[in-house]
Amino acid sequence: DSGVTQTPKHLITATGQRVTLRCSPRSGDLSVYWYQQSLDQGLQFLIQYYNGEERAKGNILERFSAQQFPDLHSELNLSSLELGDSALYFCASSRGILALSSSNTGELFFGEGSRLTVL
Amino acid sequence: SQQGEEDPQALSIQEGENATMNCSYKTSINNLQWYRQNSGRGLVHLILIRSNEREKHSGRLRVTLDTSKKSSSLLITASRAADTASYFCATDEGRGSTLGRLYFGRGTQLTVWP
Repeated sequence: DSGVTQTPKHLITATGQRVTLRCSPRSGDLSVYWYQQSLDQGLQFLIQYYNGEERAKGNILERFSAQQFPDLHSELNLSSLELGDSALYFCASSRGILALSSSNTGELFFGEGSRLTVL
Repeated sequence: SQQGEEDPQALSIQEGENATMNCSYKTSINNLQWYRQNSGRGLVHLILIRSNEREKHSGRLRVTLDTSKKSSSLLITASRAADTASYFCATDEGRGSTLGRLYFGRGTQLTVWP
């Protein structure tokens, strides 16, 4: 158990709809990362938050948005869904963005993912 | 941004044999990490090697890093059926004193037959 919780585990919806994926990071972790995993694209970095602020954006579509709340949980919102958005969405957390140290090993702790199917 | 690329894409071996997976990347890195993923599950961190390190061991795992060739290898010795999984290398481009996000390769699917 990584300590990262993602809900829901599975989600089936129709094209054009909107869904929200939720992530609770490991206790004490300030950074949250969202990744999308699909067969054709592999693991794609979407976005990173640190202590409530957006830190980096990757290949995140304009139809997607995310935020990190004061209690450090994060939500990824996917709207105007298309068939190609079907994928596994992972949330990961880490201590922070500081240099490697005894308190920051640099590894990411991944949740079990939310499998989104768009029909 | 840049991603690691693993080689081979798939590897099939017998229990007891060693498994070697390679990773190549394109730009300078802060560190390189290897992760494991069982089918449909979350990724699990295996080992991290910093850019100023050349080799690191953890149990049956041995990782090497050659920054001049921009490549890394993961060796799993005396493999077991339970090692069957996908293995990913991930690069951290980190600027200065900050760590960035990880960029993952497409993975090597390892199958270990009993």
